[in-house]
Amino acid sequence: NAGVTQTPKFHILKIGQSMTLQCTQDMNHNYMYWYRQDPGMGLKLIYYSVGAGITDKGEVPNGYNVSRSTTEDFPLRLELAAPSQTSVYFCASRLGQGPSSSYEQYFGPGTRLTVT
Amino acid sequence: DQQVKQNSPSLSVQEGRISILNCDYTNSMFDYFLWYKKYPAEGPTFLISISSIKDKNEDGRFTVFLNKSAKHLSLHIVPSQPGDSAVYFCAATPAGNQFYFGTGTSLTVIP
Repeated sequence: NAGVTQTPKFHILKIGQSMTLQCTQDMNHNYMYWYRQDPGMGLKLIYYSVGAGITDKGEVPNGYNVSRSTTEDFPLRLELAAPSQTSVYFCASRLGQGPSSSYEQYFGPGTRLTVT
Repeated sequence: DQQVKQNSPSLSVQEGRISILNCDYTNSMFDYFLWYKKYPAEGPTFLISISSIKDKNEDGRFTVFLNKSAKHLSLHIVPSQPGDSAVYFCAATPAGNQFYFGTGTSLTVIP
């Protein structure tokens, strides 16, 4: 299993441009998450999904959109990029059913995004 | 509003000694807690977890203690090894949908 994969690894975006960060998992996990991590800070939840076709906002959803058309994919869309969106973005997934041990999330390697 | 707090940004410990990392939370609805380890340029990896119905969970060199009345949990690593040097994040969830992370503690184990 490849686990959780994210593309691209790095990207520089101009202010006002849009882009999509890709996330794919091959573990047949129900739940998927997008986090951002700013320097010296913890991970903040942007959006999450409990299954295909279902998404919900996290702590910091403004400026982002997501979709979940398949179990495997959970792309994050940035519209009208702003410097405040410069961050490292992590995608994660977890099984979501069964015993509490399924609360464990598996993270991708991250996408380092700079908006300038 | 930071619901999960790790007040020590960094910690240095001699190899072989105990490392104790602390985490405080404010939301009494949190019912499950996790610790993640993160190396530079990588995503976090799960280390150990504990349910709110327990006060201790042990896995090899790693033990997590939960004090619900104090809204405090700690991660003990015994004995500490140089490979344990990383950033450790505490996380909590009220029902398994949303997760809240602390700001992390950077652990350095000195050989």
